[in-house]
Amino acid sequence: GESVGLHLPTLSVQEGDNSIINCAYSNSASDYFIWYKQESGKGPQFIIDIRSNMDKRQGQRVTVLLNKTVKHLSLQIAATQPGDSAVYFCAEISANAGGTSYGKLTFGQGTILTVHP
Amino acid sequence: NAGVTQTPKFQVLKTGQSMTLQCAQDMNHNSMYWYRQDPGMGLRLIYYSASEGTTDKGEVPNGYNVSRLNKREFSLRLESAAPSQTSVYFCASRTGHYGYTFGSGTRLTVV
Repeated sequence: GESVGLHLPTLSVQEGDNSIINCAYSNSASDYFIWYKQESGKGPQFIIDIRSNMDKRQGQRVTVLLNKTVKHLSLQIAATQPGDSAVYFCAEISANAGGTSYGKLTFGQGTILTVHP
Repeated sequence: NAGVTQTPKFQVLKTGQSMTLQCAQDMNHNSMYWYRQDPGMGLRLIYYSASEGTTDKGEVPNGYNVSRLNKREFSLRLESAAPSQTSVYFCASRTGHYGYTFGSGTRLTVV
C-alpha cells in the first residue's frame, strides 16, 4: 500500500549547522505534504507544508523541497538550534478523486534530530 | 486557548479492562481523528469522523470503537484492553483539506 518513509532514523548536528532531513513517499496521488516536529511528551506540531504543484517552499529558517520525479522531499533547517531537537515526521495527504475528502494523513517513521551545543 | 484537549494524559489498565479516551475541540472543526503512536513509529490512523454523525475505520481499527458525541467531542473506547494496545494515543481535528491540529496525547499502558 501507500507509504511514506524516511532514509535516516537519527541525525546529530552541532548548533549553528544546517540540518537536512529526508523523506521518501510511494503514493503518486499525494497532493500535499507536511513536516511535523514532535517534542517529547507532546503531539505533532506543524512546521511547513508544500503542495504537489510546487518544488520548494520557504519558511522561517526552514525550507521544504519536493522532487516528484523520484518521490522525495526534504526538510532543511538553517542555523540549527538546541530547541530544534525533536523527532521530525513527514506526512502526506492523498488527493481524493471522489469529491469531499476526509484528508487521510499518512505519516512516515520519523527522524530524531539531536542538536549539540 | 483554542485547541484539542485529551483526557486522561496517562492511564494504566489491566488486560481485559475497558476505558474511554476523551477528546474535545473548540475550533468548530468538522473532522476528527484518533491516531496511535508506537515507539519509533509515525502515527497510525485508528478511526476518524468526517463530520458529526459519521465514523469510519482507519488503518488499525481492531479492538477499538468510537463515538462522535457531537461536533466538539470524539471518544475512543477500548472494550477489553490488551498489551498490544499499549501506546500513545493522539486525537486531532481538521478544518478544510489540510489544517490538522493535534492534542497532547494520552499515554496508555496495558499490563
